Amino acid sequence: EAGVAQSPRYKIIEKRQSVAFWCNPISGHATLYWYQQILGQGPKLLIQFQNNGVVDDSQLPKDRFSAERLKGVDSTLKIQPAKLEDSAVYLCASSSYVGYEQYFGPGTRLTVT
Amino acid sequence: AQRVTQPEKLLSVFKGAPVELKCNYSYSGSPELFWYVQYSRQRLQLLLRHISRESIKGFTADLNKGETSFHLKKPFAQEEDSAMYYCALSNYGQNFVFGPGTRLSVLP
Repeated sequence: EAGVAQSPRYKIIEKRQSVAFWCNPISGHATLYWYQQILGQGPKLLIQFQNNGVVDDSQLPKDRFSAERLKGVDSTLKIQPAKLEDSAVYLCASSSYVGYEQYFGPGTRLTVT
Repeated sequence: AQRVTQPEKLLSVFKGAPVELKCNYSYSGSPELFWYVQYSRQRLQLLLRHISRESIKGFTADLNKGETSFHLKKPFAQEEDSAMYYCALSNYGQNFVFGPGTRLSVLP
């Protein structure tokens, strides 16, 4: 089966600019996750969707980050405005259901200058 | 608060030697524990989960609730085991928390 797709793979922006990331999960997977992985750290869960509903967004900085999963398939994560500390790899993962194995995408490497 | 610690950032062993990657956690309840692995230039992937009680690629991990640990072990390390290993926990499939990771380097 095709894996989780993410785009773009790399993005460089200046602070205070906006950026959006896109994720296409494995077909049929109901659960979708966005993680932020800062260099030298483990992934940090930002938001978890079940179909198009939010299950957990407790660690999402809602003043600047937003995410949506319209129609319960693709998802976008947006940062507006970006800060230097947002430089990280943003990982998308999906699973067939809550609690099942997560399959990760290749990630988007964001550099904020 | 939920937390996962992995005390070693880097662990180097020789091929054929035993390896143990340490993981400790803090959680008020009964979490589900996982080990994820990322090989060079590959995606992060699940290695094993404690409820499965499986041995994957020769690795095993035992959940010790008394010591709140979930150490990953393999009796004879292979060069292809070199990778980044992350311990993680969840609460019924939600609230995933990952540790900082340990880089395992298996020397020839």
